[in-house]
Amino acid sequence: EAQVTQNPRYLITVTGKKLTVTCSQNMNHEYMSWYRQDPGLGLRQIYYSMNVEVTDKGDVPEGYKVSRKEKRNFPLILESPSPNQTSLYFCASSFSGGQGAFGYTFGSGTRLTVV
Amino acid sequence: EDQVTQSPEALRLQEGESSSLNCSYTVSGLRGLFWYRQDPGKGPEFLFTLYSAGEEKEKERLKATLTKKESFLHITAPKPEDSATYLCAVGRGADGLTFGKGTHLIIQP
Repeated sequence: EAQVTQNPRYLITVTGKKLTVTCSQNMNHEYMSWYRQDPGLGLRQIYYSMNVEVTDKGDVPEGYKVSRKEKRNFPLILESPSPNQTSLYFCASSFSGGQGAFGYTFGSGTRLTVV
Repeated sequence: EDQVTQSPEALRLQEGESSSLNCSYTVSGLRGLFWYRQDPGKGPEFLFTLYSAGEEKEKERLKATLTKKESFLHITAPKPEDSATYLCAVGRGADGLTFGKGTHLIIQP
């Protein structure tokens, strides 16, 4: 089944403890992105990647890092999480040339709580 | 800066009562107008992409239309299972999507 898989689904952590949220897609997509979703603010892009080793900042990148060493994986790293990073996070992927026809495919989300 | 505004924020309809959701946008070079459905606690699910003014797409009880400044999602004779948040987004090419805040739709039996 074609899908974007995020892990973990739920995570509670303490301020300052480094964490990684994994994202993997099995559709051979070039484009991948991370979003956070907050009540009243909607979905906002954190980072995106056009292909392996090509990443760039989105609208709200502060406090986050990403890497794209393999085409299928795009982990999100929080080096020193803070309570304002408590949110629902989504990974998404798309083809480059055909993204218009199929849009982005989203993962099921990771609900992160930083205390 | 790309902007997407959706209205209304919330809409409650009776089963079978047709209506429309609005998405107005300002963007420097549209790379697709996307509609997604999102159920609580789940990821957005792709519905439609529209590229040019005048374009229309349909899926079951949903029809999306596009003008130069806005898009509409028409819901005909909705059922309770159509209850969800509907998200509109504009494409940024490789940069991903800029989303509106969504319309929370409730269909009462």
